[in-house]
Amino acid sequence: DTAVSQTPKYLVTQMGNDKSIKCEQNLGHDTMYWYKQDSKKFLKIMFSYNNKELIINETVPNRFSPKSPDKAHLNLHINSLELGDSAVYFCASSQEVGLPTDTQYFGPGTRLTVL
Amino acid sequence: QKEVEQDPGPLSVPEGAIVSLNCTYSNSAFQYFMWYRQYSRKGPELLMYTYSSGNKEDGRFTAQVDKSSKYISLFIRDSQPSDSATYLCAMSNQGAQKLVFGQGTRLTINP
Repeated sequence: DTAVSQTPKYLVTQMGNDKSIKCEQNLGHDTMYWYKQDSKKFLKIMFSYNNKELIINETVPNRFSPKSPDKAHLNLHINSLELGDSAVYFCASSQEVGLPTDTQYFGPGTRLTVL
Repeated sequence: QKEVEQDPGPLSVPEGAIVSLNCTYSNSAFQYFMWYRQYSRKGPELLMYTYSSGNKEDGRFTAQVDKSSKYISLFIRDSQPSDSATYLCAMSNQGAQKLVFGQGTRLTINP
């Protein structure tokens, strides 16, 4: 039974397009995250939400807008896609926010390629 | 300079060897240290977590933290081909709401 799922798994699109990535967790966690992993494998946090409320917003361009319809879902919408947005985007969840000891569970990733 | 530095490798060793993976960091406020394992085309999964300085052992894996040197290590004993993956260190400080990750070291264990 998948704990953190993301759709789509692969996304290839043209520059300037708008796209969305969906994430769902069935762990009953209160906190969800979006990370970006670039081609050099650097994993950087973008956003985190706790009970649908934005907690972390790391200097991410305004073109990226997370939306949390409920605490089990955190979607990522990207406007006006640029070449530099090509990366693997991971969704993650944890029980609480602000507890470094709380394990984060990652989804399988969405590989975004902007042409 | 990045907050967390990790040699990206690749590192290739024969099966059965002892593997040593390391990270250095600059933020002395970090107190929580994790190692994540990421298989190809998969999301990272937590392998081990350590608080402050000291050692922690879990089966074939040992995590060490030396806060005085701002240096952490992960040792893998009797390495297996199934250990082939990218290993990412991650760290955080008390009250922080985010993890800071190293670049990850790609490890291959050759049968």
